[in-house]
Amino acid sequence: AQKVTQAQTEISVVEKEDVTLDCVYETRDTTYYLFWYKQPPSGELVFLIRRNSFDEQNEISGRYSWNFQKSTSSFNFTITASQVVDSAVYFCALSGDSGAGSYQLTFGKGTKLSVIP
Amino acid sequence: DGGITQSPKYLFRKEGQNVTLSCEQNLNHDAMYWYRQDPGQGLRLIYYSQIVNDFQKGDIAEGYSVSREKKESFPLTVTSAQKNPTAFYLCASSGNLAGTPSTQYFGPGTRLTVL
Repeated sequence: AQKVTQAQTEISVVEKEDVTLDCVYETRDTTYYLFWYKQPPSGELVFLIRRNSFDEQNEISGRYSWNFQKSTSSFNFTITASQVVDSAVYFCALSGDSGAGSYQLTFGKGTKLSVIP
Repeated sequence: DGGITQSPKYLFRKEGQNVTLSCEQNLNHDAMYWYRQDPGQGLRLIYYSQIVNDFQKGDIAEGYSVSREKKESFPLTVTSAQKNPTAFYLCASSGNLAGTPSTQYFGPGTRLTVL
């Protein structure tokens, strides 16, 4: 069985602070994929990043960066110099082979980030 | 513009009624999904379909039904058998790359309230 844990339920930061959202996963698959999604107050999930289990390189995209560490089964997400527009719920998700070529997403419960001006 | 549309945005249902939520995509994706989101919870998979005329139950399929008659459309019916249907429903779609999961892209959601 797959599991994704986002231990931080809610985080509040002041604008321009850096913030890291934690994600720890469990899977028995040797090949798997990790994702981060952003859910702003409007409700739609916005795809941010996808990483496969063979690629442990960190990724940076503007103010966003991701740290993937297989040794600790973690895929953490850092926002540098946070802005009010970053306020949202962030979900980490894991996808592995559910059989017959079907890949299902298992979501964490999300971390609600509030950036205070 | 390519994307996923869901309608209606808000839906109110009386107890004992069936209601159908619409999901349409013009991304030419093979796979489509329905998720349910409750407050403070992650998304839970209701049903998914990898190809037209075929669909599979997810983790919480009881009280729901789907059809996939067209590639673009994957409507979800919430039946009266669903005991606690008030929730936010999200539809997603993805391409079908052999042997690897494609990224799922989501619609704007439908918020269902049972009165």
